[in-house]
Amino acid sequence: ETGVTQTPRHLVMGMTNKKSLKCEQHLGHNAMYWYKQSAKKPLELMFVYSLEERVENNSVPSRFSPECPNSSHLFLHLHTLQPEDSALYLCASSQEWGRRSEQYFGPGTRLTVT
Amino acid sequence: GESVGLHLPTLSVQEGDNSIINCAYSNSASDYFIWYKQESGKGPQFIIDIRSNMDKRQGQRVTVLLNKTVKHLSLQIAATQPGDSAVYFCAENISGYSTLTFGKGTMLLVSP
Repeated sequence: ETGVTQTPRHLVMGMTNKKSLKCEQHLGHNAMYWYKQSAKKPLELMFVYSLEERVENNSVPSRFSPECPNSSHLFLHLHTLQPEDSALYLCASSQEWGRRSEQYFGPGTRLTVT
Repeated sequence: GESVGLHLPTLSVQEGDNSIINCAYSNSASDYFIWYKQESGKGPQFIIDIRSNMDKRQGQRVTVLLNKTVKHLSLQIAATQPGDSAVYFCAENISGYSTLTFGKGTMLLVSP
């Protein structure tokens, strides 16, 4: 399918739980992204990593914590989420950040917060 | 605020027809545009892009038209097939900025 994989594909968690989303890209790209996709809203960029350094953080609540241990892996750690955080969380990668390069998306993790 | 938006939330066509999906943008500094397709249960998939120094670009069965005068972008799909059923959305990039701004999307429904 694509060179970007995400696990789990579906996640249901309570507001007091701690969970992590995982993204892996097999494309040799240098930039990775987390997006939130809610119903009837445009894609919202959450975080950008370039060469394992965070380069953008778009006013995301601290209950979302990203981690990029290497250029192929990206995590999104979740804790004490709210029901309004329920959404599809998409990971993407691109060859470089800062230049117009196509972003490749993973299939997403469908998150439901109860 | 400035945003990328779409005129029609849902477009229904018959198989074999040509489809046109529209997108309006408001930032005159935008100089790079991408169309994505998102099928149910999948992430967005790149279809075609266009830079502001062009007004038309063609791919396989798809054509993107850019009208900078009225800040309008369209995606034309020729001989639409059931497999084209998906949400389509455009994204813009503003010169000097690295991130994309996405529109809300249009659902394309293709009937056999």
